[in-house]
Amino acid sequence: GAVVSQHPSRVICKSGTSVKIECRSLDFQATTMFWYRQFPKQSLMLMATSNEGSKATYEQGVEKDKFLINHASLTLSTLTVTSAHPEDSSFYICSARSTGGPGTNTGELFFGEGSRLTVL
Amino acid sequence: AQTVTQSQPEMSVQEAETVTLSCTYDTSESNYYLFWYKQPPSRQMILVIRQEAYKQQNATENRFSVNFQKAAKSFSLKISDSQLGDTAMYFCAFMTSIYNQGGKLIFGQGTELSVKP
Repeated sequence: GAVVSQHPSRVICKSGTSVKIECRSLDFQATTMFWYRQFPKQSLMLMATSNEGSKATYEQGVEKDKFLINHASLTLSTLTVTSAHPEDSSFYICSARSTGGPGTNTGELFFGEGSRLTVL
Repeated sequence: AQTVTQSQPEMSVQEAETVTLSCTYDTSESNYYLFWYKQPPSRQMILVIRQEAYKQQNATENRFSVNFQKAAKSFSLKISDSQLGDTAMYFCAFMTSIYNQGGKLIFGQGTELSVKP
């Protein structure tokens, strides 16, 4: 089956530092990846759409300079939370759309395991 | 803009019984996908069932089935013979057109389902 891996699964950092989260599609190529943020007991809120080789498209209200997204290859997208503050503490989830592979004709997205960020 | 609404924040059901989770959505598109995802305590998103809007037949996956009413923009999930392992947060989701908005997945607020022994 299609597998998406996120790393790290948990990260704790000090306020003011930057943190990078990786999202990898392990057995398929993904031209498009999505980044979500989820607070406890709440829904997934789309932050941005990441397209390989081009700039990410951010949802309204999401700070582009704070949440840097890079999609440099067909199997890797990264989310960097810059100058993190306690309010950035959250669960971040990525998902990927396969290109010509599993789920191509069904619209299915494949999700990573999520990354829990805690900013002290 | 598309919206997805789940009006039941929490539900509970006895083991082996049947439960229905409701979902409504709003869109001006004619072709789209609808999904139900399950999120257990591990937080891993698991696809439960999908429905293509152009298909009139309701999707089924073993104990899971949907009641898709396109005109009413309703997409409910029925879980038959509920099992303890079905305890999780369930999200209804709408996928926008890949060619129009990049195929974004918009989630409802979620319904927390508890299956009681």
